[in-house]
Amino acid sequence: GAVVSQHPSWVICKSGTSVKIECRSLDFQATTMFWYRQFPKQSLMLMATSNEGSKATYEQGVEKDKFLINHASLTLSTLTVTSAHPEDSSFYICSARTGTNNEQFFGPGTRLTVL
Amino acid sequence: GEDVEQSLFLSVREGDSSVINCTYTDSSSTYLYWYKQEPGAGLQLLTYIFSNMDMKQDQRLTVLLNKKDKHLSLRIADTQTGDSAIYFCAESRTGTASKLTFGTGTRLQVTL
Repeated sequence: GAVVSQHPSWVICKSGTSVKIECRSLDFQATTMFWYRQFPKQSLMLMATSNEGSKATYEQGVEKDKFLINHASLTLSTLTVTSAHPEDSSFYICSARTGTNNEQFFGPGTRLTVL
Repeated sequence: GEDVEQSLFLSVREGDSSVINCTYTDSSSTYLYWYKQEPGAGLQLLTYIFSNMDMKQDQRLTVLLNKKDKHLSLRIADTQTGDSAIYFCAESRTGTASKLTFGTGTRLQVTL
């Protein structure tokens, strides 16, 4: 149980285009989902916290207009990287939490490469 | 803000014990976690410990917490090649919507 999937697993796009990444909790309802960014050989940095049906809370320094987060249902959150540039190339990881405990279940990650 | 530090690299021989260390600065930390990340993959929760505990053992894994020194360690007994990965410690506080602050990660290399 407690499986989180991400789609796509990797994506290559041209500079200036927008990319949408999906995060799904497959067998539980996620009241809260988190989006992280990980640069090569570095730690995970929390980008934003999203609760179903409400606006995401962004961490300091994260542009909310560039990284659009939608948490429309209890099993799906999406991260859209708008007008992507090469510096947005990174590994994006989501996690999901139920309302019953503090444990976060992580997705397998999406590797974004912007040319 | 919170700061979580780890050594970058550890190399051990198969069958030996591995000890991965972590230090943190936030005295309000309530939960402390160890995650494992294999290449190109997400994170797998290995174990966690509440801040009011000193030790937790789970099969080959032993977590030690020194709250006074804000020091956390993960011991892996009988280390296997499949244990090669990056290990992250993380901390969270009650009332912060489970926000995790991750350490810098320790790359464990297991040699034959």
